[in-house]
Amino acid sequence: GENVEQHPSTLSVQEGDSAVIKCTYSDSASNYFPWYKQELGKRPQLIIDIRSNVGEKKDQRIAVTLNKTAKHFSLHITETQPEDSAVYFCAASWETGGGNKLTFGTGTQLKVEL
Amino acid sequence: DVKVTQSSRYLVKRTGEKVFLECVQDMDHENMFWYRQDPGLGLRLIYFSYDVKMKEKGDIPEGYSVSREKKERFSLILESASTNQTSMYLCASRRRQQATQYFGPGTRLTVL
Repeated sequence: GENVEQHPSTLSVQEGDSAVIKCTYSDSASNYFPWYKQELGKRPQLIIDIRSNVGEKKDQRIAVTLNKTAKHFSLHITETQPEDSAVYFCAASWETGGGNKLTFGTGTQLKVEL
Repeated sequence: DVKVTQSSRYLVKRTGEKVFLECVQDMDHENMFWYRQDPGLGLRLIYFSYDVKMKEKGDIPEGYSVSREKKERFSLILESASTNQTSMYLCASRRRQQATQYFGPGTRLTVL
């Protein structure tokens, strides 16, 4: 089955700096890579996703890049703000249009310091 | 807005008890999932269901079972709770043709 590794497990940055979280996956058939954000005491929520037919996707201050050859993908947050402090999970799946299961990474605790 | 609800936010049970965790979604989603979340281990899939009456084992099904008698409801059952099942349990749902999973608020279960 799919295996997703995520690094680092904790990340501390100064407000305004950039943050990068990296994930690798094992199954070359995986074609869908979402990122979920979980604020303290709240449920995980999708913040951005990418499919294997594109190499990069941006949404305001967040971006995701995908390298299919190397089987890794990354989340980039620019101009970090205190409200970006949360746990971030990457995930991977093979989406067939009929529903499928996600395999999650172990999470990164991001702390944005003032 | 999609709404996924779970029956309890906090639950305390004794070893050996039978425990039911309920999840309900109101968006007619076909797929539903149960995860447990532990520090340093991320979200691990216990069971999932593609549709009513259907169930599939996830990565860590041992000690758990599930029931999906109605489309909107997916139940997780701990037949005989053990202390190593103390965890945060998260339910999620999604429409079959869409990839986004929507999570419930979670149930923090403590088994004494």
